[in-house]
Amino acid sequence: KQEVTQIPAALSVPEGENLVLNCSFTDSAIYNLQWFRQDPGKGLTSLLLIQSSQREQTSGRLNASLDKSSGRSTLYIAASQPGDSATYLCAVPGGSYIPTFGRGTSLIVHP
Amino acid sequence: DGGITQSPKYLFRKEGQNVTLSCEQNLNHDAMYWYRQDPGQGLRLIYYSQIVNDFQKGDIAEGYSVSREKKESFPLTVTSAQKNPTAFYLCASSLQRDLFFFGPGTRLTVL
Repeated sequence: KQEVTQIPAALSVPEGENLVLNCSFTDSAIYNLQWFRQDPGKGLTSLLLIQSSQREQTSGRLNASLDKSSGRSTLYIAASQPGDSATYLCAVPGGSYIPTFGRGTSLIVHP
Repeated sequence: DGGITQSPKYLFRKEGQNVTLSCEQNLNHDAMYWYRQDPGQGLRLIYYSQIVNDFQKGDIAEGYSVSREKKESFPLTVTSAQKNPTAFYLCASSLQRDLFFFGPGTRLTVL
């Protein structure tokens, strides 16, 4: 059964720092990996989808990388802003293409 | 606008009462899902449906029921058999093996 771990569980940084959020998964036979953002009391918003054939995906200040062989993905946030404060979750597909989610990294960026 | 809608946003249930959460999507997605989210825990899969008139139990289906009579609709009923239903409920949809999209969520509270 696919298991997904996200480290750290929580992070508090001053504005302007570059950040790395980590996601690891136990079964490397995946066909994609998706990163989401969740604001308090809201649904999940898709940030990036990386296909298994890709190494990286970029959207604005976000860059996600995927290393299937080591079972890892990282989400890099450049020049963090207070508006980036949220919980970030990664998801990888398991049986029947149903995604398994990590518990997320709770990020606070303070001015 | 294409997307997923959930209603109501807040729902209160009395002891012994069944309640139904609505989920509608106009993305023409085949697959739809229901997740439960509790504080400090990841998303847990309740039910999913990959085609109309068919659905499968997820990891925590006990005390819940669903129907999938139309492609765009996947309502979730929380029955009186669910002893601890207070949680945040998220509906999602996807094309098979592709991007997941989430609705805004319904917060259910037991009175």
